[in-house]
Amino acid sequence: QSALTQPPSASGSPGQSVTISCTGTSSDVGGYNYVSWYQQHPGKAPKLMIYEVTKRPSGVPDRFSGSKSGNTASLTVSGLQAEDEADYYCGSYAGRNSVFGSGTKVTVL
Amino acid sequence: EVQLVQSGAEVKKPGESLKISCKGSGYSFSNYWIGWVRQMPGKGLEWMGIIFPGGSDTRYSPSFQGQVTMSADKSISTAYLQWSSLKASDTAMYYCARKVGASYPPDYWGQGTLVTVSS
Repeated sequence: QSALTQPPSASGSPGQSVTISCTGTSSDVGGYNYVSWYQQHPGKAPKLMIYEVTKRPSGVPDRFSGSKSGNTASLTVSGLQAEDEADYYCGSYAGRNSVFGSGTKVTVL
Repeated sequence: EVQLVQSGAEVKKPGESLKISCKGSGYSFSNYWIGWVRQMPGKGLEWMGIIFPGGSDTRYSPSFQGQVTMSADKSISTAYLQWSSLKASDTAMYYCARKVGASYPPDYWGQGTLVTVSS
């Protein structure tokens, strides 16, 4: 299984929105509604931000939203805040196993 | 409160064996999957595999099949990841994480165990 494809970096000013894409295949992203997104700050464990494409775990701000079209999923962070600066990874179920994306570093300008 | 507490950092030589642990608390350990994730220095996350402590189901990602062994002891709510012969390329942070189901994402993560393999 190959890693899902994400852009290496994305950026935005405070208050703006940033959208990160995650491209897979019909065997993972396109084949299941089990796409998730994780936030990882330096030196910390990843944190689940979105699951099942659009759902937010308790405690995750509604500034974070997810969507999917075909083999590509997206994470949008609206109203960017300084604390949103982190690495973001998508993930997908791929039938018996799971796969992560390559990761995107989000910078708040 | 759900917690996954991993064993401490390890420094090993190539060819040595190693077993790291992940102890769950605050939930029914036998009823949730435990996954292992590798993060090499400065790199992204990689799924290694998952194990269901309440049964015998263990699923390795293709890249890690035959390279590591996952196990669990439900009597002490602990999952393990082990290597029989470490390589320098095994140097990485290793995370354990809880999954509600095999297809679901991990909702709780351990703090990570840093494994350094160097001669």
